[in-house]
Amino acid sequence: AQSVTQLGSHVSVSEGALVLLRCNYSSSVPPYLFWYVQYPNQGLQLLLKYTSAATLVKGINGFEAEFKKSETSFHLTKPSAHMSDAAEYFCAVIHQGAQKLVFGQGTRLTINP
Amino acid sequence: DSGVTQTPKHLITATGQRVTLRCSPRSGDLSVYWYQQSLDQGLQFLIQYYNGEERAKGNILERFSAQQFPDLHSELNLSSLELGDSALYFCASSVEVAGGAETQYFGPGTRLLVL
Repeated sequence: AQSVTQLGSHVSVSEGALVLLRCNYSSSVPPYLFWYVQYPNQGLQLLLKYTSAATLVKGINGFEAEFKKSETSFHLTKPSAHMSDAAEYFCAVIHQGAQKLVFGQGTRLTINP
Repeated sequence: DSGVTQTPKHLITATGQRVTLRCSPRSGDLSVYWYQQSLDQGLQFLIQYYNGEERAKGNILERFSAQQFPDLHSELNLSSLELGDSALYFCASSVEVAGGAETQYFGPGTRLLVL
């Protein structure tokens, strides 16, 4: 069964520092991978997705993620954190041919001034 | 704004009661998904409908049921409610092209509190 693991339920960085949120997946074949962000009291918004077109995926708000098959990882990064990035981030996977998203447990990102 | 609407935004009810959550997908989207977000279980897929037909089922309790109507809106019915059903219920929609790579757009959610 496919699954996704997010390392670190809470990550705290200083404003202007690098943001790194970790996601590892388990799947027998490369799946489709997604990062969603959830701001307080809001729904989920897609940041970016990997669909096998390119291993480095650029998303909204300056975020990007790199698909590494050898490491079964899809970590999310942003070079310089902004206060508005404070939110919960979810990594999700869909196996090819399936439709349901399988989510990681989420990582709450806090930005320190 | 994703274009997916959900009503009501908040719902407070008592144990044993029945509630209906409503979702209108984005214009043109044929597929609707329901997810439950709770503190202990995280985000879990419940059920998917495509053009009125059930397509996939996840960890949905027998007390829960859903349907998608000809105008493509969907309703999630929760009955014999228990305290543990308190959660945020999301609806998502997609056009659904074969393969699963398309984006699911999420609504703002319905927060259910069972007292």
